[in-house]
This record gives sequence, structure tokens and C-alpha cells, in this order.
Amino acid sequence: QKEVEQNSGPLSVPEGAIASLNCTYSDRVSQSFFWYRQYSGKSPELIMSIYSNGDKEDGRFTAQLNKASQYVSLLIRDSQPSDSATYLCAAGNAGKSTFGDGTTLTVKP
Amino acid sequence: DTAVSQTPKYLVTQMGNDKSIKCEQNLGHDTMYWYKQDSKKFLKIMFSYNNKELIINETVPNRFSPKSPDKAHLNLHINSLELGDSAVYFCASSRTGHMNTEAFFGQGTRLTVV
Repeated sequence: QKEVEQNSGPLSVPEGAIASLNCTYSDRVSQSFFWYRQYSGKSPELIMSIYSNGDKEDGRFTAQLNKASQYVSLLIRDSQPSDSATYLCAAGNAGKSTFGDGTTLTVKP
Repeated sequence: DTAVSQTPKYLVTQMGNDKSIKCEQNLGHDTMYWYKQDSKKFLKIMFSYNNKELIINETVPNRFSPKSPDKAHLNLHINSLELGDSAVYFCASSRTGHMNTEAFFGQGTRLTVV
């Protein structure tokens, strides 16, 4: 079992729709969770971090964490073509982040 | 002002050669990392240094040797390069090595071994 698993892609949504990205993790002691966005040929950039159960909103992005279910999600509202990228989920513990394989999102105009 | 910078951006070399990748961060962070991203986009940690001390050393061939002359620099030297070493190598830094800190990535070094 992979330490961090993301829903397999690719994911395609029309412009203006909600994109939902999911992630599960196996290490129960993980304390910090991150969503990174990576455009093709570019480096990962952090878009959301979440540390406690519940929702965290930042603009069009909402991260959700459920530690009991070991589940993290990212919702992107009013998706734009510029959101088309690979989204990486990461779980952090003891100074190290373990990444999932990524989900590629395409937002069609 | 680039926060985390790596050189070179591209590196093409023959099997058996030795090469180095340099990384510098100007964020004042204590912790630096090397990650490897393979062709399937899987990002895997290789090493982590905190204030020049090695704190994470994942299962990586000993042909890979990191060096941190100071907390703002973390270089990666690779001996006897193999075809399977072809990947994108990312340097990253974070404020501390504790759990709740996010990483800032350099632009990556695309290594191609021929």
C-alpha cells in the first residue's frame, strides 16, 4: 500500500465547475497535510496546507481533512483553464513530506 | 529574487560520469531537501539536512552524496551515473524540519543520462 494515495486521473471538468481531488494516507501519525500544484515542466508550488480536522478555505480552494478516515481533499470552485495542472497531495511527519502520485486536472473552456 | 535556485537546469551526460547539482536558498530556512521526480511524476524524498546536519537519508544508492557547506546551500553529487538516474531533481527548503512546515521548491534539474 502506498503511503499517500490520490484518486487516479486524469480528471477533466468544464470551466466554472467544481473540481474535487481526493487523497488518503496510511501513516496515522502524520500531522500536516499539503496540496501542491505543479504545471508541466515546472516545480511544485504550495497552494494549501491543513493541520486540523475540518475545512480550510482560501479563495476558490477548500481543503478538507478527516484524520479519523485518514482522508484529505481539495475542492476547486469555479474552475478555470489556468487551474489545469497536476495536483500533489503530501502528508508530513518528522520533518519529511511523503507525496502521492498526483492527479492531473484539465479544465476545459 | 529567486528563493530556491538550482543549477544547472538541464544536465545531459554519459553513463559512468560524475556530476553535481548545486542548490541555494535565500529564505533563511533551516532545512533543505533533495527530491527525485521520475517520469511518472512521482516525487520522492532523497535527503534532508537541518542546519548542515543530515537528518533524513532515504534508501538511495551511495553513488548519491549530498553536501551542505552551510545552511543556505545543499549540493548533490552523483558518481558513476546510470541510465536509471535520469529524472528531475528538485531541491527544496522549509523553515524548520518540524512537522507543520511547507516546502519551497527550486525550479528543478532535468538530468538525462545517455
